[in-house]
Amino acid sequence: DIPMTQSPSSLPASVGDRVTLTCRASQSISTYLNWYQQKPGRAPKLLIYAASSLQSGVPSRFSGSGSGTQFTLTISSLQPEDFATYYCQQVFSARSFGQGTKVEI
Amino acid sequence: EVQLVESGGGLVQPGGSLRLACAVSGFSFSNSWMSWVRQAPGKGLEWVGNIKPDGTEKYYVDSVKGRFTMSRDNTKNSLYLQMNSLRAEDTAVYYCAKEGHSSSWYYFDWWGQGTLVIVSS
Repeated sequence: DIPMTQSPSSLPASVGDRVTLTCRASQSISTYLNWYQQKPGRAPKLLIYAASSLQSGVPSRFSGSGSGTQFTLTISSLQPEDFATYYCQQVFSARSFGQGTKVEI
Repeated sequence: EVQLVESGGGLVQPGGSLRLACAVSGFSFSNSWMSWVRQAPGKGLEWVGNIKPDGTEKYYVDSVKGRFTMSRDNTKNSLYLQMNSLRAEDTAVYYCAKEGHSSSWYYFDWWGQGTLVIVSS
């Protein structure tokens, strides 16, 4: 098991803001890191895989970076539909998720 | 169109059993790793386990080892999760998810809508 830690747990933001979410792995996971967005009552949606690859159909305002133990998800200009909870996931050894970051108004 | 539809959730007493199913369509199920993910009410996502396309390898999170068993029927395009010795802390929405990949990088690209399991007396 590789514990994943996300920060902050909650992120107040406004439409148009540039926001950066952080995810840390307890050991090196190379770039075996994915990001998901989840809205209340809905299944998660894949945004970024392999740390920085944008999933098909996901807006280009989402970007990911990092390798080893530290990763970031950046939303360049927050849109109303982006208020949600974001999870990182490692797939280097089995699978595990971070505890999530809620982006809220 | 890719679809994953979970079923089998419900209310069960502590110590009881439940079998979840996930019926899929729209992709090559027999060539896909599949996972179960759960989410307790108001909590984050927890990976439960996954199963190789041919069913010969299965991996589980420590908290369910020895109690939960994943299986699949590639002739029926269906994934299963047998849950025994259920505890209150197993209460959650259970999602099945398809694992896509690009070279050696895996990710969960399609998810079902989830089925709610409540363990309570």
